[in-house]
Amino acid sequence: NAGVTQTPKFQVLKTGQSMTLQCAQDMNHEYMSWYRQDPGMGLRLIHYSVGAGITDQGEVPNGYNVSRSTTEDFPLRLLSAAPSQTSVYFCASSYSGRISAEAFFGQGTRLTVV
Amino acid sequence: KNQVEQSPQSLIILEGKNCTLQCNYTVSPFSNLRWYKQDTGRGPVSLTIMTFSENTKSNGRYTATLDADTKQSSLHITASQLSDSASYICVVSAGSYNAGNMLTFGGGTRLMVKP
Repeated sequence: NAGVTQTPKFQVLKTGQSMTLQCAQDMNHEYMSWYRQDPGMGLRLIHYSVGAGITDQGEVPNGYNVSRSTTEDFPLRLLSAAPSQTSVYFCASSYSGRISAEAFFGQGTRLTVV
Repeated sequence: KNQVEQSPQSLIILEGKNCTLQCNYTVSPFSNLRWYKQDTGRGPVSLTIMTFSENTKSNGRYTATLDADTKQSSLHITASQLSDSASYICVVSAGSYNAGNMLTFGGGTRLMVKP
């Protein structure tokens, strides 16, 4: 079982560059989300989607865009990278948005913006 | 504002010893509490999920407790192994449906088990 797959695992960007972090899940999960994890802080929600064609903002959405054209894929786009976006990014999925649904996380993408 | 505080921030124990990690939360309305294990360079993996009515749940050598009155939870690890070295994250859910902002993550406790 592949589960939640994130690519790339590591990335270095120059300030102002744009890029897309990929996230794919093969569990037919409706609910997908993106988090960032910074040292000493809990994961913070960037964007989430409750199904194909539906996305919404989380706690820290500025500087990021998402789309959900298929159930499987939920890419995260950095529009113009800034050093403050240096972080580890995690994609997660669950069968539904219900609180009791188990959340599965990808392995993370470590992004450095110089 | 919903908050989850974990203590200690880091902990070093010898292999075979027990340890207890703490989680205090101010999340309303409370729905459930989860403990995750995060190995270095990996995503979090769920250990336990507890609802309001559950006060103890075990998963092998991991036992989580929940006191909804004092809004505290603990994760007890018995007979620690080197593979237990990881960060342990407490996550509290609010409401009945995840509208996106209903999961509050603690900062984690970094555990190191030494031989």
